[in-house]
Amino acid sequence: EAGVVQSPRYKIIEKKQPVAFWCNPISGHNTLYWYLQNLGQGPELLIRYENEEAVDDSQLPKDRFSAERLKGVDSTLKIQPAELGDSAVYLCASSHTPGQGRNTGELFFGEGSRLTVL
Amino acid sequence: QKEVEQDPGPLSVPEGAIVSLNCTYSNSAFQYFMWYRQYSRKGPELLMYTYSSGNKEDGRFTAQVDKSSKYISLFIRDSQPSDSATYLCAMSFNNAGNMLTFGGGTRLMVKP
Repeated sequence: EAGVVQSPRYKIIEKKQPVAFWCNPISGHNTLYWYLQNLGQGPELLIRYENEEAVDDSQLPKDRFSAERLKGVDSTLKIQPAELGDSAVYLCASSHTPGQGRNTGELFFGEGSRLTVL
Repeated sequence: QKEVEQDPGPLSVPEGAIVSLNCTYSNSAFQYFMWYRQYSRKGPELLMYTYSSGNKEDGRFTAQVDKSSKYISLFIRDSQPSDSATYLCAMSFNNAGNMLTFGGGTRLMVKP
């Protein structure tokens, strides 16, 4: 079974440019997460989707960040315009729906998209 | 002060050593405790999962939770070079995985 797939793996852009990241979760996983991981730190949640609904986006900086999961499967995370401080790894994760029988509490992470803003 | 604290390391040990990795936390409402392993340029993967206080063993790995001290540990016996990675502790109020708080991670290097 394929894991969580993210692209691009690496992206270098100049500040004020836009950037987008794509995530394809594990088949059957209704819950999708975007995390931000700064160098030497643990992941921090940006947004969580249950199917196509964003159920927790309290940590998403909405002035420049946006996300969508239109058909409840793939998701994109966009930054416009990017700032120097946005340089980090953007991790996508998926799981079965919390509270349902198949959910074990485990999150399955992709390999991440590493962003460098110059 | 962060809710979950970890020594960032790096922790360097010789092959075969017993490794002890630790996290402290401040919120007594955390009930579920996890250890994720993250290899360089990879995403985290779940290593151990425990509920409340006590010990859990899985092969060379033992997870220990002391809720009274707000302290969790991961022990690795007979450490191998392949154990070299960053170890992230994570905890949540429920078992659904949707409200995880991660520590900053400890980088471990096991030298042959």
